Amino acid sequence: EPEVTQTPSHQVTQMGQEVILRCVPISNHLYFYWYRQILGQKVEFLVSFYNNEISEKSEIFDDQFSVERPDGSNFTLKIRSTKLEDSAMYFCASRGRGFHGYTFGSGTRLTVV
Amino acid sequence: DAKTTQPNSMESNEEEPVHLPCNHSTISGTDYIHWYRQLPSQGPEYVIHGLTSNVNNRMASLAIAEDRKSSTLILHRATLRDAAVYYCILETGANNLFFGTGTRLTVIP
Repeated sequence: EPEVTQTPSHQVTQMGQEVILRCVPISNHLYFYWYRQILGQKVEFLVSFYNNEISEKSEIFDDQFSVERPDGSNFTLKIRSTKLEDSAMYFCASRGRGFHGYTFGSGTRLTVV
Repeated sequence: DAKTTQPNSMESNEEEPVHLPCNHSTISGTDYIHWYRQLPSQGPEYVIHGLTSNVNNRMASLAIAEDRKSSTLILHRATLRDAAVYYCILETGANNLFFGTGTRLTVIP
């Protein structure tokens, strides 16, 4: 069964450093998403991406965040200057046209120290 | 965000059916009803979705009330591997999913 692949599975970074979280969505999917989950809290929507542009973003997705689909297969989330409160699991998801189910990756655990 | 209401937790005995309820009284005519689950330390997993009619797949069944203001996810025979947090989510016109706190299902051997 096709999978959404996320790398790395765990990243530790110093506060103020830039991080890039990588995702390879399912190859024929057209809609891409990032979510995050702070430990013990609910899954929060960050951003949706379609046709090479952001469709919608949440209040969490401020100027420190950006997304990119650089080469038609990868979908990345960049955090420009990490803060302690950015520590969370980050999930990438993708969806094909005409089918409403999302496929999520297994996540990247980001720890900011 | 379109709102859903679910019980915080439920328990089921192994190999018995489980009915997980969800209320969504503010649902609009074009909102799809989605169910996802999240096993411990994993990403959310699609379970089932529907619009008006009841739906069945290999994982579960979705029963949607005639007025669409509530729905029930049915696991026909709960196994220990079904222990997870189950989320009922409305997909609105923007096609984004907004997760609530879900129902934590405990399966008792």
